[in-house]
Amino acid sequence: EAGVAQSPRYKIIEKRQSVAFWCNPISGHATLYWYQQILGQGPKLLIQFQNNGVVDDSQLPKDRFSAERLKGVDSTLKIQPAKLEDSAVYLCASSSRLAGVETQYFGPGTRLLVL
Amino acid sequence: AQTVTQSQPEMSVQEAETVTLSCTYDTSENNYYLFWYKQPPSRQMILVIRQEAYKQQNATENRFSVNFQKAAKSFSLKISDSQLGDTAMYFCAFMNYGGATNKLIFGTGTLLAVQP
Repeated sequence: EAGVAQSPRYKIIEKRQSVAFWCNPISGHATLYWYQQILGQGPKLLIQFQNNGVVDDSQLPKDRFSAERLKGVDSTLKIQPAKLEDSAVYLCASSSRLAGVETQYFGPGTRLLVL
Repeated sequence: AQTVTQSQPEMSVQEAETVTLSCTYDTSENNYYLFWYKQPPSRQMILVIRQEAYKQQNATENRFSVNFQKAAKSFSLKISDSQLGDTAMYFCAFMNYGGATNKLIFGTGTLLAVQP
């Protein structure tokens, strides 16, 4: 089966500009996650969707970040306006229950550099 | 709040040898899952192995096995017969079972270099 797809793979913008990332989960996966991975750190959850509803967005900086998952499939994550500290890899993951365990599968990520 | 600690930022091992990566975690929950993920350079995160906290038997996947010590809150990964393709960043991760969210809480990672 096809894996989690993300685009673009790389993006360079200047601070205060806006940027959007796209994610297509594995077919049939109801749960979708966006993680932020800053250099030298482990990924940190930004938002979790169950179908097209938000389950957890407690660590999403809502003054500048937004995300949506229309029709419960694809998702977009937007940053507006970007700050220097937003430079990171943005990982999308989707999950299914594998042998009774909710297992997450990750996409290749979008590497963002804010200048 | 749960935390995951990986105290070895970098490790090195010779090809064909065995290496153990350490991970400790802190939680007050009794039911949870633990994972090891591998992130090769510039490539995507791949699940290596997982462990259900209610299982006493340590999980194994081919050359990868874990030493799960629930009382000590320790979850180490052993890689046997190391191969060059094992070179990657390895992340230990925790997931609470039965909570409202299935988010993974990651450690800071261990960069493993397999030397020829």
